[in-house]
Amino acid sequence: SQTIHQWPATLVQPVGSPLSLECTVEGTSNPNLYWYRQAAGRGLQLLFYSVGIGQISSEVPQNLSASRPQDRQFILSSKKLLLSDSGFYLCAWTTGDRELFFGEGSRLTVL
Amino acid sequence: AQSVTQPDIHITVSEGASLELRCNYSYGATPYLFWYVQSPGQGLQLLLKYFSGDTLVQGIKGFEAEFKRSQSSFNLRKPSVHWSDAAEYFCAVGVGFNNLFFGTGTRLTVIP
Repeated sequence: SQTIHQWPATLVQPVGSPLSLECTVEGTSNPNLYWYRQAAGRGLQLLFYSVGIGQISSEVPQNLSASRPQDRQFILSSKKLLLSDSGFYLCAWTTGDRELFFGEGSRLTVL
Repeated sequence: AQSVTQPDIHITVSEGASLELRCNYSYGATPYLFWYVQSPGQGLQLLLKYFSGDTLVQGIKGFEAEFKRSQSSFNLRKPSVHWSDAAEYFCAVGVGFNNLFFGTGTRLTVIP
């Protein structure tokens, strides 16, 4: 069966520091991968999606970036965090039937 | 442009009572519709989905939802709520091939 892993689960970082959140999927190949952000009291905002290795589409301009170095690995990064980057980050995958499977999330607090 | 509206930010119901969570969408084409549930600090779990066919869809945990094209709605229902149903519920519409557009969520509190 397919599983999705995200880490770290919780992260507290100072403003201006770098960020790296990692997501891996097991049990499937060539998935579509997504990064969503959930801010307090708001819905889920799609940040990036990827349909293949090295293929990244950005939905919202920001100081975040994403990379897909391997088929089942998706990384969310920032060179310099802002206070507004705080939130709950969710990785998700699908094989193309639009049903998304989510990871457990990574809570980022920027101080 | 597509949008999803969940008009109720927070709903409180007594255990054993019935539940209906509202969802309205705006999308120019035939929608793909979803309900997800999120427990605190967790990821999202799919409750049910509608792609086509029967407009009343059954999901996990005793939930069901009805697609009403004339009202652009996809309301989630459960006849008898359990304390374990307390969570946040998200309605979503599938846009194109690569994206789900989510509502802002409804937080459900269940009173013993």
